[in-house]
Amino acid sequence: DAGVTQSPTHLIKTRGQHVTLRCSPISGHKSVSWYQQVLGQGPQFIFQYYEKEERGRGNFPDRFSARQFPNYSSELNVNALLLGDSALYLCASSLTSSGNTEAFFGQGTRLTVV
Amino acid sequence: RKEVEQDPGPFNVPEGATVAFNCTYSNSASQSFFWYRQDCRKEPKLLMSVYSSGNEDGRFTAQLNRASQYISLLIRDSKLSDSATYLCVAPAPSARQLTFGSGTQLTVLP
Repeated sequence: DAGVTQSPTHLIKTRGQHVTLRCSPISGHKSVSWYQQVLGQGPQFIFQYYEKEERGRGNFPDRFSARQFPNYSSELNVNALLLGDSALYLCASSLTSSGNTEAFFGQGTRLTVV
Repeated sequence: RKEVEQDPGPFNVPEGATVAFNCTYSNSASQSFFWYRQDCRKEPKLLMSVYSSGNEDGRFTAQLNRASQYISLLIRDSKLSDSATYLCVAPAPSARQLTFGSGTQLTVLP
């Protein structure tokens, strides 16, 4: 079985641009969560989607948005990029919407904003 | 106080050594805990789940101390391949998200 897949793996964008990151969860998993990880820190929660509905949102500005599709894949969108948005963006897949369930991560998208 | 705190290290240990990391959490109601391993510039990978007093998997042992609100990870007979950052996770019971510590960096030296 395929694990969690994310695309693209690397991305370079200019300040003010928009970016879309994609994630496909493990087959059978209905929950997708997005995390941002900057160097030297643990991943920080951005969103959780379960059964195509937003179930949780972290402390990120409205420039960040996401959605989940009927096949449970997900997109994370970031508008008006800032230099500080440069980070590793991780997608996590899990069976349930609970944060107390084992979650499995994709390889991440490394975003650089210049 | 941060929800999950870890000693950032780095821990530099010789091959074969035993090393232990501690992680403290602030929510006394937390029930599930996880240790993830993250190699440089890679994604976190689930190492161990802890739902009761502890868990053991080969050279790795996780112990939970609810009274003092900490979880420890013990690695015996360290291998070079154990070099990584170890992330502790202690989600709140009703939380949707994993709450990560900042990670503890381990380097196993030949």
